[in-house]
Amino acid sequence: ETGVTQSPTHLIKTRGQQVTLRCSSQSGHNTVSWYQQALGQGPQFIFQYYREEENGRGNFPPRFSGLQFPNYSSELNVNALELDDSALYLCASSRLAGEDEQYFGPGTRLTVT
Amino acid sequence: QQQVKQSPQSLIVQKGGISIINCAYENTAFDYFPWYQQFPGKGPALLIAIRPDVSEKKEGRFTISFNKSAKQFSLHIMDSQPGDSATYFCAARMNRDDKIIFGKGTRLHILP
Repeated sequence: ETGVTQSPTHLIKTRGQQVTLRCSSQSGHNTVSWYQQALGQGPQFIFQYYREEENGRGNFPPRFSGLQFPNYSSELNVNALELDDSALYLCASSRLAGEDEQYFGPGTRLTVT
Repeated sequence: QQQVKQSPQSLIVQKGGISIINCAYENTAFDYFPWYQQFPGKGPALLIAIRPDVSEKKEGRFTISFNKSAKQFSLHIMDSQPGDSATYFCAARMNRDDKIIFGKGTRLHILP
């Protein structure tokens, strides 16, 4: 086990709704990255937070936003959900930005109907 | 734009055989090439990684071969076991940018 937990495990939402996904990193891990993994695809980078500040963003619209808290927890918020947002959402933590190994959580499976 | 191309999409290997998964990249600024293993219901886990100044890295039954001039790298799993059945992702990252770019994955099935 990586020590990274995510909640909830599964979630079903309706198009247009908003969702918040949560991640709890290992103690001492100041960096958290979020990825979207569509079915049958590799994970795609959404954004990264380092010490509670956004530290890089992938090709995702502003309705994808995040927060990181001092207690090594973080959130991914998605507004105005679209059907294409259905995916597995993964968070990954590491001690420092740029560190080689990132530890992934098990993911949250989001279904948008 | 797919920056890391992975093949094959799926692979079936007999127990004890060698599993080979190939990847190609385009951006010469990449300087870290990890391979991840993902089991159903789990997140990806780092399996082995290589930097472009090395042509080969071996850890147990897993070997990465790296060809910088061809911009290709591959994962070899020796003595493949049913427990190796999983999805494997090659990936790449630039040194100054922590974003990991993943290939589309290879679903590996080892026949018992």
